[in-house]
Amino acid sequence: GEDVEQSLFLSVREGDSSVINCTYTDSSSTYLYWYKQEPGAGLQLLTYIFSNMDMKQDQRLTVLLNKKDKHLSLRIADTQTGDSAIYFCAEKGYGNKLVFGAGTILRVKS
Amino acid sequence: DAMVIQNPRYQVTQFGKPVTLSCSQTLNHNVMYWYQQKSSQAPKLLFHYYDKDFNNEADTPDNFQSRRPNTSFCFLDIRSPGLGDAAMYLCATSRDPLEFGAQHFGDGTRLSIL
Repeated sequence: GEDVEQSLFLSVREGDSSVINCTYTDSSSTYLYWYKQEPGAGLQLLTYIFSNMDMKQDQRLTVLLNKKDKHLSLRIADTQTGDSAIYFCAEKGYGNKLVFGAGTILRVKS
Repeated sequence: DAMVIQNPRYQVTQFGKPVTLSCSQTLNHNVMYWYQQKSSQAPKLLFHYYDKDFNNEADTPDNFQSRRPNTSFCFLDIRSPGLGDAAMYLCATSRDPLEFGAQHFGDGTRLSIL
């Protein structure tokens, strides 16, 4: 079945880079996504990568995809206090569904 | 701005008293989803509508139902809320899930049960 796993917590200093990791099981996933959730809010789509890509860069965000190992990472350069949130990795599962990981809490210390 | 709007943001109801949560969208997306999210957990898909076709998840309790009277609106009905139903309920939409599949979320309704 489909399963997505993430580390639970990451703490970084303001200005450093953050790297959030994710592993997934469904090798047929066509798209993989990163969502951000701030306290009391819904999920905001940050970025995504198509499965035939190895890397995607979008301003401070870099997504790396290792299809062989089914490993996805999100790197946030120059991390700011406003980046503190929960980050969810998701894969496009069967049909219309997204399969989410449990989320990684990113804490940015000033 | 085009968006997904959930009302109310906070809802308090009594144990066993029916409650309805609403979601509207201006994105004209085909698909609308309802998720339940408990503290420190991933969102759990309850059901979704693809146009008028209703798709229930196998493990969604019978207590939860949904209505989609038109493209823009979707409702979540909880017939007899129990204490375990206290959670954040998230509505999401997507345009072409068979291809891209990215979902756009509302800010959620936090449901408390007294």
